[in-house]
Amino acid sequence: GAGVSQTPSNKVTEKGKYVELRCDPISGHTALYWYRQSLGQGPEFLIYFQGTGAADDSGLPNDRFFAVRPEGSVSTLKIQRTERGDSAVYLCASSPYGYEQYFGPGTRLTVT
Amino acid sequence: SQKIEQNSEALNIQEGKTATLTCNYTNYSPAYLQWYRQDPGRGPVFLLLIRENEKEKRKERLKVTFDTTLKQSLFHITASQPADSATYLCALGLIKAAGNKLTFGGGTRVLVKP
Repeated sequence: GAGVSQTPSNKVTEKGKYVELRCDPISGHTALYWYRQSLGQGPEFLIYFQGTGAADDSGLPNDRFFAVRPEGSVSTLKIQRTERGDSAVYLCASSPYGYEQYFGPGTRLTVT
Repeated sequence: SQKIEQNSEALNIQEGKTATLTCNYTNYSPAYLQWYRQDPGRGPVFLLLIRENEKEKRKERLKVTFDTTLKQSLFHITASQPADSATYLCALGLIKAAGNKLTFGGGTRVLVKP
């Protein structure tokens, strides 16, 4: 079956611009996670949704970052006033039971 | 401070040998621990989960041990193959209930030479 998909695969934006990253989880998975990964490091947790609600947003670095999942399926990560330090690969994962996580290929964000 | 340490140096191993990777953690009390494989340009792929009350788990050529006293997990790939070359990540689940975030180590790159 289809895995987790993320769009776009690459995004280049200028400092100060707004970006949206989309995640389409595996059908039926109620848990959805966003992580970001810098080169040579492991993924770093950002936010977790159970259904439509954000169950844990403790990893969002500041109020420029926001995520939604309005219908309990697709999720969008939104970053305002992007900074060069936001450059990373943004990974989305979904889970049927909340233990093992199924990751998408990621969106590589470059802020110039 | 809290840390999860994996060997940052790549592990080079001959085909057919056993690769052993280490995950050490400090100031965490994980309820479970997971191992993932990550290939370049791709997202991590789940391999194994081991709970705090389990000592060892196996899946095909993979074996994981979990020692909560030593605060360490070992990950073994037996009869390694060039296709096993990848980065391997350990991740801690800090709460027993489902739906937790994972806290990842930095990963260890494994290169299996034919």
